[in-house]
Amino acid sequence: QLQLQESGPGLVKPSETLSLTCAVSGASISSSSYYWGWIRQPPGKGLEWIGSIYYTGSTYYNPSLKSRLTISVDTSKNQFSLKLSSVTAADTAVYYCASPYISSLSIDYWGQGTLVTVSS
Amino acid sequence: QSVLTQPPSASGTPGQRVTISCSGSNSNIVSNSVNWYQQLPGTAPKLLIYRDNQRSSGVPDRFSASKSGTSASLAISGLLSEDEADYYCASCNDGLNVFCVFGTGTKVTVL
Repeated sequence: QLQLQESGPGLVKPSETLSLTCAVSGASISSSSYYWGWIRQPPGKGLEWIGSIYYTGSTYYNPSLKSRLTISVDTSKNQFSLKLSSVTAADTAVYYCASPYISSLSIDYWGQGTLVTVSS
Repeated sequence: QSVLTQPPSASGTPGQRVTISCSGSNSNIVSNSVNWYQQLPGTAPKLLIYRDNQRSSGVPDRFSASKSGTSASLAISGLLSEDEADYYCASCNDGLNVFCVFGTGTKVTVL
């Protein structure tokens, strides 16, 4: 059973960089069966696709965030990471890591989510 | 911003049937399969339906879905109080990598 667990600061100051890590267990991050993605949900609002990475290192970034976003994989630690620079209050959200299954593109596995608040 | 449009709310009494629509376009729903997620308060979304109409493991057959043209729909029959949640449609495409768009979400209330 694949499991995902987000970790990182819950509070980030405006203009700084938001950094989160997603630890993967139950599967290898080098698996060709999954993409590894990030999704966020502002308080009381809907879901937004942030971006994704494949084990080859290929990435996709939401065009609205692309200039501030970096997603990377650390195969030695079986985890992947998100960095979002120059954050503002609009980046306050619950951030989920997720693993879309290659064959169906459905997200069978989600992390529990972590609330990141941008505030001084 | 969401490019899949859902009604903000839907409701029914226990035992009734509720239907939620998801409206998109040729670039998403027509071209790619639709998945549906249920989100209970304070929890991560849970996959209900994949590939337009396939129930995920353990999902009761009270949940069904279909797709036609640029629209998709989720039906909940025999509504239970535990079905009160937010529901999201999603459409993903992959080329070199995957990108998903989500619906605006529908809050289902069991009266």
